[in-house]
Amino acid sequence: QKEVEQNSGPLSVPEGAIASLNCTYSDRGSQSFFWYRQYSGKSPELIMSIYSNGDKEDGRFTAQLNKASQYVSLLIRDSQPSDSATYLCAVKYGGSQGNLIFGKGTKLSVKP
Amino acid sequence: ETGVTQTPRHLVMGMTNKKSLKCEQHLGHNAMYWYKQSAKKPLELMFVYSLEERVENNSVPSRFSPECPNSSHLFLHLHTLQPEDSALYLCASSQAGTSGALDTGELFFGEGSRLTVL
Repeated sequence: QKEVEQNSGPLSVPEGAIASLNCTYSDRGSQSFFWYRQYSGKSPELIMSIYSNGDKEDGRFTAQLNKASQYVSLLIRDSQPSDSATYLCAVKYGGSQGNLIFGKGTKLSVKP
Repeated sequence: ETGVTQTPRHLVMGMTNKKSLKCEQHLGHNAMYWYKQSAKKPLELMFVYSLEERVENNSVPSRFSPECPNSSHLFLHLHTLQPEDSALYLCASSQAGTSGALDTGELFFGEGSRLTVL
């Protein structure tokens, strides 16, 4: 069974703080990992992708991958109220022709 | 028109009705998807079309019938649905990798069709 697990939250952080979102996955052979952001009433949009162990930074966002622990995380530095959304972790199973399996998502609330 | 567009945005239907959801992508992608999003559940992959061929059917009940007449259009035909089928149905597209090519795995979603079955 291919599973992607996330804490559903809500995760509440004050403006300017670091928000840390976590995700675990079941298939040790997975190679591609993604974070999507979904605002209320909107569709998901890709914000980060990561393929290798370690950190990948893009502006205020850092994705971290640890394949040995089957763990991927997303850090949001200097959180803003506009970051308030549900963050979906997605794992690509089955190689380059595989499909994305999504977690339930973590709802983040950034308080001014 | 840009991106991925879905119509209708909202649909209310009875259990005996027949309706269709439509999706159109203007991104030149070669793969299209239907996902179901219900409250407190992860996005569920329903169908995948790659190069207009159905390559995935995730044990979806036969009351859902997809159709992909070309690489830009995708339909989901609905008949004799149940109240538990009420959900947000999301269409997505991507550029699927061919042999040896890198597939980024990035999906571009439409805004969704909110379906309510009475």
